[in-house]
Amino acid sequence: SQTIHQWPATLVQPVGSPLSLECTVEGTSNPNLYWYRQAAGRGLQLLFYSVGIGQISSEVPQNLSASRPQDRQFILSSKKLLLSDSGFYLCAWSVRGETQYFGPGTRLLVL
Amino acid sequence: GDSVTQMEGPVTLSEEAFLTINCTYTATGYPSLFWYVQYPGEGLQLLLKATKADDKGSNKGFEATYRKETTSFHLEKGSVQVSDSAVYFCALSGIQGAQKLVFGQGTRLTINP
Repeated sequence: SQTIHQWPATLVQPVGSPLSLECTVEGTSNPNLYWYRQAAGRGLQLLFYSVGIGQISSEVPQNLSASRPQDRQFILSSKKLLLSDSGFYLCAWSVRGETQYFGPGTRLLVL
Repeated sequence: GDSVTQMEGPVTLSEEAFLTINCTYTATGYPSLFWYVQYPGEGLQLLLKATKADDKGSNKGFEATYRKETTSFHLEKGSVQVSDSAVYFCALSGIQGAQKLVFGQGTRLTINP
């Protein structure tokens, strides 16, 4: 069966520091991968999606970037965090269908 | 563009009450429709889905019917439990290819014993 992992689970970072969040999927090949952000009490905002290695599409201009160095690995990064980057970051995957399956999320607090 | 509108929350009910969370959509073509649930501190879990008009998705006592004529996908449960307290998201499949989902803003549900 397929599983999706995200780490770290929780992160507290100072403003201006770098960021790297990792997402990996097991049990499937060539998945579509997605990064979402959920601000406190708000809905989900799609940040990036990827249909293959090295293929990244950005949904909104911002302080973040994404990379897909391997088929089942998706990384969200920032060179310098802003206070507004705080939120709950969710990774998701899908394969050949429309259903997306979500990871447990990473809670990021920028101080 | 495609969009999803959910009833505003929060919604507070007593245990064993009947639940309806409204969801309407705007889309080109014939999207699939989804309900996801998010328990406190967790990621989203797929609750149910429907892929074509008049389909009924069901899971854990929840049901939703894909109504093309009213562009709706309302979530219902006959008797809620305290453990159903969560945030519920309605979503539709959007642009083909990347298979992106368009989410509603979420409805927070609290069930009191």
